[in-house]
Amino acid sequence: DQQVKQNSPSLSVQEGRISILNCDYTNSMFDYFLWYKKYPAEGPTFLISISSIKDKNEDGRFTVFLNKSAKHLSLHIVPSQPGDSAVYFCAAATSGGGADGLTFGKGTHLIIQP
Amino acid sequence: DAGVIQSPRHEVTEMGQEVTLRCKPISGHNSLFWYRQTMMRGLELLIYFNNNVPIDDSGMPEDRFSAKMPNASFSTLKIQPSEPRDSAVYFCASSLQGGMGYTFGSGTRLTVV
Repeated sequence: DQQVKQNSPSLSVQEGRISILNCDYTNSMFDYFLWYKKYPAEGPTFLISISSIKDKNEDGRFTVFLNKSAKHLSLHIVPSQPGDSAVYFCAAATSGGGADGLTFGKGTHLIIQP
Repeated sequence: DAGVIQSPRHEVTEMGQEVTLRCKPISGHNSLFWYRQTMMRGLELLIYFNNNVPIDDSGMPEDRFSAKMPNASFSTLKIQPSEPRDSAVYFCASSLQGGMGYTFGSGTRLTVV
């Protein structure tokens, strides 16, 4: 049973527009959430994270929103750029910021169209 | 730092053969994780080590899978005997402070025919 769900396998967005990637989770013990970005033939790289004590975290063009009551988080990329085309993984941890491992979603393939 | 180094990058083997995947974590990191990526299940945690000691191997799919970390700079994931359903990309990651400090290797793409 998937505890972290990314229901959109792919998403196509025009360059310059906003990209919104969604993630839902079922385990109420998760208290730390992360987004990873993955290019082909490379390992995932850390993008941005958020603790459950916050509802928003911003880093440049990337903002993560957390809605604990809905068990939902989203990643906003504004404006979208061609280099943002990649697979984005949502991940969650129950303690220690992931010191005991992360639970990942299946990923969303973001395609930025020129 | 060269990052997390995995070898080989690609491995093609016949069913029934033993396969050994290798990982060199980032120097100074005290946690090491093995993940498997498949289309059906995404990224799954197989096992992780803390200070070279296996902490949780509940994600290891079967007894055919085993992992070792003989020292702080080296870990192996072994599959014996290998089966076609083991075909996947296997990632190693290391960290010092949990999720934010995670660094993944480039992965080993395993194909069992």
